[in-house]
Amino acid sequence: DQQVKQNSPSLSVQEGRISILNCDYTNSMFDYFLWYKKYPAEGPTFLISISSIKDKNEDGRFTVFLNKSAKHLSLHIVPSQPGDSAVYFCAASTSYGKLTFGQGTILTVHP
Amino acid sequence: NAGVTQTPKFQVLKTGQSMTLQCAQDMNHNSMYWYRQDPGMGLRLIYYSASEGTTDKGEVPNGYNVSRLNKREFSLRLESAAPSQTSVYFCASYRLAGGGDTQYFGPGTRLTVL
Repeated sequence: DQQVKQNSPSLSVQEGRISILNCDYTNSMFDYFLWYKKYPAEGPTFLISISSIKDKNEDGRFTVFLNKSAKHLSLHIVPSQPGDSAVYFCAASTSYGKLTFGQGTILTVHP
Repeated sequence: NAGVTQTPKFQVLKTGQSMTLQCAQDMNHNSMYWYRQDPGMGLRLIYYSASEGTTDKGEVPNGYNVSRLNKREFSLRLESAAPSQTSVYFCASYRLAGGGDTQYFGPGTRLTVL
């Protein structure tokens, strides 16, 4: 029972264009959502988060959108850079620190 | 300030052998976690420790035990390794930031069970 799903295993975009990564969830009790970025042979690093009381959160080139009625969140990266190439995981939380992760999306940004 | 450290980085075991994965954090966090990452599965929670002296099962605890040695250290033990436990293991610690949850991860331990 995959409560958090990232249905696109991979995404390829051109440098300077927008990258949109999507995530769907089924558990309506999730109240906090996060995106992590992971390079090969490293641990995931926190990127951006959003509380369920908001529908948008921005941090520089990164924006996360939350649509609670659709149980959907997305991460927008504008403009995309080659250094953004990594695996992106979305995660959701219902209680103190316990995260449920999606399967990950491999983003490749071409120069 | 090293953050979250894990040892060893790589390990190869034979079926039935035992080993302990070590994790330490220097950020004075109360909560610590063990995850495993498998292809196409994301990260799955094995065990966690909300505070020193407490441990609880996560999503996939079978075949593992944990010890919260003190506030800094949280170890994961495989008593009798099986090929299904071949995976990359990540330790994480938790702090509260700006009203939300942010976990900090170690670099991982790549374990192969033959």
